[in-house]
Amino acid sequence: DTGVSQNPRHKITKRGQNVTFRCDPISEHNRLYWYRQTLGQGPEFLTYFQNEAQLEKSRLLSDRFSAERPKGSFSTLEIQRTEQGDSAMYLCASSPGGRGLFFGSGTQLSVL
Amino acid sequence: AQRVTQPEKLLSVFKGAPVELKCNYSYSGSPELFWYVQYSRQRLQLLLRHISRESIKGFTADLNKGETSFHLKKPFAQEEDSAMYYCALSGPTNFGNEKLTFGTGTRLTIIP
Repeated sequence: DTGVSQNPRHKITKRGQNVTFRCDPISEHNRLYWYRQTLGQGPEFLTYFQNEAQLEKSRLLSDRFSAERPKGSFSTLEIQRTEQGDSAMYLCASSPGGRGLFFGSGTQLSVL
Repeated sequence: AQRVTQPEKLLSVFKGAPVELKCNYSYSGSPELFWYVQYSRQRLQLLLRHISRESIKGFTADLNKGETSFHLKKPFAQEEDSAMYYCALSGPTNFGNEKLTFGTGTRLTIIP
């Protein structure tokens, strides 16, 4: 499968723990996005990278959230001191520009 | 602020009957509109975009700027059309950011 890859598929953690998710975009795509989706809602934009530069962050992205794309390839999204409200599906998408976004299967986070 | 409204959370249609999934948007400029689809246990994928003016899997959507709508239509529903459908909008591309604002989605069920 040469699509966007996300790991892990599922993550269960206790409140207060830190978690990290990984996204491997389609190889020739220089644009990378993180979204969050909760039950009954559409995906909501979190942050955008063009190559290794993080160019936009949503107000939804609190100080406990940090994202990186160190070499302009894969990206990580870390949540520190998780809260129950962080429980959601975290989606990664990539794009070559001008053709819409290509989504991964997501990481389902459950905070107990 | 940009906003996408999908008024129907659930829609059931008999096989062979016409389908129309409604989407209205709020945006001050000239947006780009998309329909994304998520089949059971699959990732979110692009169905069509208004600038392409394509028909994909028999679906079409016309951008009506006067009514700020982008309804998705298909003349004859098929069982394999059962899925979750999201309408999405992309605004000005700052730094090449084609971030999408999604509606809450419509779950389409085709009754055999």
